[in-house]
Amino acid sequence: EDKVVQSPLSLVVHEGDTVTLNCSYEVTNFRSLLWYKQEKKAPTFLFMLTSSGIEKKSGRLSSILDKKELFSILNITATQTGDSAIYLCAVALYAGNMLTFGGGTRLMVKP
Amino acid sequence: DSGVTQTPKHLITATGQRVTLRCSPRSGDLSVYWYQQSLDQGLQFLIQYYNGEERAKGNILERFSAQQFPDLHSELNLSSLELGDSALYFCASSVVGATNEKLFFGSGTQLSVL
Repeated sequence: EDKVVQSPLSLVVHEGDTVTLNCSYEVTNFRSLLWYKQEKKAPTFLFMLTSSGIEKKSGRLSSILDKKELFSILNITATQTGDSAIYLCAVALYAGNMLTFGGGTRLMVKP
Repeated sequence: DSGVTQTPKHLITATGQRVTLRCSPRSGDLSVYWYQQSLDQGLQFLIQYYNGEERAKGNILERFSAQQFPDLHSELNLSSLELGDSALYFCASSVVGATNEKLFFGSGTQLSVL
């Protein structure tokens, strides 16, 4: 059975801290890994990773994929209160475009 | 705003009842996906439609059904509701539903079964 596991389950930090969120997966026919941010309701797309070792960056957020060890990390530097959200990792398989999601990491950034 | 519209935002109903959730995808998107998010299960894929045809099925119960209409909007029908069906139901859309397309999610329908 395909499995995506995120850690930690939740995290509380102060503004300015750097955080690292983890996502490991065990799936057949892996195609890509995606990160989403879920604030109030709708998950919003952050990154899609398909190749190992290539870092994707968007402002203070960055992510990298290791296809050999089957994991990805999402880094957020200089955290702000607006980064408070649930961060979801999902895997897309070779066939089709439906996503298998991990349970999410709930991040709270305190002022 | 993702461009995916879901109605209603909240729904409160009783066990045994039937409800219909509605989704309008982004303009131009042909593929619609339904997901269920509950506290203990995370986001679970239910079903995907492409241009009116069912394309993929996930962990969708037999009591649940969906369809996509010629105008591309989709409805998810949940019947014989149980307490455990209480969850946030998301619709997402993408252009054609091909591998590696980004999914754009609506704001969800919060279903409470009492």
